[in-house]
Formats: sequence, structure tokens, C-alpha cells
Amino acid sequence: EAGVAQSPRYKIIEKRQSVAFWCNPISGHATLYWYQQILGQGPKLLIQFQNNGVVDDSQLPKDRFSAERLKGVDSTLKIQPAKLEDSAVYLCASSWPRGNEQYFGPGTRLTVT
Amino acid sequence: GENVEQHPSTLSVQEGDSAVIKCTYSDSASNYFPWYKQELGKRPQLIIDIRSNVGEKKDQRIAVTLNKTAKHFSLHITETQPEDSAVYFCAASKYNFNKFYFGSGTKLNVKP
Repeated sequence: EAGVAQSPRYKIIEKRQSVAFWCNPISGHATLYWYQQILGQGPKLLIQFQNNGVVDDSQLPKDRFSAERLKGVDSTLKIQPAKLEDSAVYLCASSWPRGNEQYFGPGTRLTVT
Repeated sequence: GENVEQHPSTLSVQEGDSAVIKCTYSDSASNYFPWYKQELGKRPQLIIDIRSNVGEKKDQRIAVTLNKTAKHFSLHITETQPEDSAVYFCAASKYNFNKFYFGSGTKLNVKP
């Protein structure tokens, strides 16, 4: 099966600019996750979708981060305005509705200067 | 919420030796514990997982053990090979709730 797709793979922006990341999950996977992975740390869940509804966004900095999954398939994560501490790899993952294995995309490495 | 701690942060072993990575968790309701391997610049990939109704699970050279009472679980890799070199992450969650809490990772280096 095709894997989770993400774009872009790399992005360099200046602080206070905005940026958007795109994710296409594995076909049929109703659950989609966005993680932030800071260098040297484990992935931290930002937001979880079930179809096009938000299940958990308790760790999403809502003053600057937003995410949507309008048709229950693709998703976008946006940061506006970016801060230096947002430099990280942003991983998208997907899973079956009642499954537990999460399949990760290749990630987007964001550098904020 | 759940808190997962992972040790050691780095581990160097000689090819052929065994490697053990340990994780503890805080929420006694957690009942699903996956382990992911992440090679440099690549995506995390599931290598083994265990549910709380079993104490041990093996898959060739990899095994995971779980002690529910002590709230800790461990990854065991036997007969290590250079291609085992990667960062390993443990995680804890409640089965079917899907929210994973990851440990901070262990960088394993297998020296040929």
C-alpha cells in the first residue's frame, strides 16, 4: 500500500512568517495525527482527527497553530506567525479507526531563523 | 496525563551483543505499548508492540517485556547488527484510543 505522503520535505522561514504543511494519509485510514518532533526528543501529538472531526487538540498552541481536514482525507497544518522554537520535524501519521499501529509520513523539517 | 520516560538516551554495543532499552509510564490505565525505530532522516516505523494482557512478546531477534505492576516495559535486541543502529522510541497509549505518548528516544549504535 502507498504510504503517508507529506510536503514539503524541508522549509526554511524567518520568524513571524507563516507556513503550511500538507499530509495525505493512507487510503482508508480515518484517523490522522500531526506530531511535532524537536531534535533529540520523541514525537509530541499536536492534533488528532477522526475523519474530519477533531478528537484531541489539547497540545496544539492554538494562538499560532491551526489544522484542518475538510473532506476527511488530506490535512493541512499551519503556523502563523512562526517562532524560533517551532523549528522541528512535523510528522503526519494515520491509522485505521480501531487499529493501533500508526503509519508515519517522512516528515517536514522546519527551520525558523 | 501520561508521562513516559526512556533510558538510556544513548547506547553503544558491539556487534553480536544484546541491547536493552527501558521505559516507564505513569498512567496505570495505559494498556498498549509500541516500539518504533527511526533511522536517520527517515520516518518512525513500528517494530514490535505489546498489550497489557501479555507479559512478553518476541519477533525473531526482538522482544518486549511488560511489568504492569511496576509500570515499566523493555525492548530487548539480541545478536545486534550494524543495521540495528537507529533511534528507538517507546510509547504508551490506551488501546483503541490511539493517542500515543512517546519517550524521548534511545540512540543505539552497533559497532562492527
